[in-house]
Amino acid sequence: GDSVTQMEGPVTLSEEAFLTINCTYTATGYPSLFWYVQYPGEGLQLLLKATKADDKGSNKGFEATYRKETTSFHLEKGSVQVSDSAVYFCALSKGSGNTPLVFGKGTRLSVIA
Amino acid sequence: DAGVIQSPRHEVTEMGQEVTLRCKPISGHDYLFWYRQTMMRGLELLIYFNNNVPIDDSGMPEDRFSAKMPNASFSTLKIQPSEPRDSAVYFCASSFSGQGGETQYFGPGTRLLVL
Repeated sequence: GDSVTQMEGPVTLSEEAFLTINCTYTATGYPSLFWYVQYPGEGLQLLLKATKADDKGSNKGFEATYRKETTSFHLEKGSVQVSDSAVYFCALSKGSGNTPLVFGKGTRLSVIA
Repeated sequence: DAGVIQSPRHEVTEMGQEVTLRCKPISGHDYLFWYRQTMMRGLELLIYFNNNVPIDDSGMPEDRFSAKMPNASFSTLKIQPSEPRDSAVYFCASSFSGQGGETQYFGPGTRLLVL
């Protein structure tokens, strides 16, 4: 079945450091890919998405590119802030997107000043 | 818009009791999803609806779990009887089938503890 694998955490970085969280997927066809973020005690918020190969999703300084050849959707940010501390989930959905999300295990990021 | 609303936010109950979780999707959204988050299994789908009709309930753990969507603005997830292994955070999410509708919007979740 479809699955998402993302790097295990926790990840601890100093403020202004470069962030990469790896995500690879296994799926038939052409899924849509997402990064969701979960702040402490809150629900998941969409961070960015890409719906076809070579698309780049971006938001709040975060970027991820849909790479079909490597089945990857790695999340990057050039300079993290303390406020970026959260759990990040990579996810995919099939078809139109109004289908269930398949999530990775999540990566906890802590940014220290 | 108020976003997806879930209640209660926290629930503590004893094993064997009935638990009912509630969700109000974003107005105009025609898809509704129930997910469960645990440390062991991460986030997993329980059931989802389209236009109030259940489409896939294969993620519902067992007969103790049931979900309904009597109208477009309300859904319930019921556990009867509850067990300690049901302790988790339960999220409701909604989306719409129109252009750009592939984004699911999540509620704040209900944190359930079964003693």
